[in-house]
Amino acid sequence: ETGVTQTPRHLVMGMTNKKSLKCEQHLGHNAMYWYKQSAKKPLELMFVYSLEERVENNSVPSRFSPECPNSSHLFLHLHTLQPEDSALYLCASSQEHSGANVLTFGAGSRLTVL
Amino acid sequence: DAKTTQPTSMDCAEGRAANLPCNHSTISGNEYVYWYRQIHSQGPQYIIHGLKNNETNEMASLIITEDRKSSTLILPHATLRDTAVYYCIVRMPSGNTPLVFGKGTRLSVIA
Repeated sequence: ETGVTQTPRHLVMGMTNKKSLKCEQHLGHNAMYWYKQSAKKPLELMFVYSLEERVENNSVPSRFSPECPNSSHLFLHLHTLQPEDSALYLCASSQEHSGANVLTFGAGSRLTVL
Repeated sequence: DAKTTQPTSMDCAEGRAANLPCNHSTISGNEYVYWYRQIHSQGPQYIIHGLKNNETNEMASLIITEDRKSSTLILPHATLRDTAVYYCIVRMPSGNTPLVFGKGTRLSVIA
């Protein structure tokens, strides 16, 4: 257990479904991230939240909608996804300050879109 | 962030030292070098980071050349559980600058 918990670990959904991925960090960090990892591709940064405000949105389609209600929780709301959105979705957190920045990742949520 | 270049894959015999190189020839003076690894289907795990000096922790050692254009991650006694993809990343120290992952090096530790 790394201190960053992601649920569910596995999710299968149809293209018309609406579902959410949840991330919770118990480390007292003030920044949280969503990354996507498709098969045989590098990790792609999706969203960054710092002090509960979104500071980066990497041209992610609107069918992915992040929410950060407080510094410990991060959600990724999913709706009308496509089969190519099937991937491992990774949440991470860090304590932002000038200097070195170490990210702690969760175990990921593996999403399959049928 | 400066780009890094790593070999696609490497093999290492169990019990031997694994030396993973990384080239970051365009690194700027205040960028840190980070190493992470990702064991199959798990989240990446932080290993070590450094700025100018060599660093060592319970997992590995990081050797950074004097000109900072390259570095080597050393796993002193590789085990089968060290089989993973290893990522070398350089990053500005700005608070909100996220880590950008490349393709990394796939290390296979062989019994």
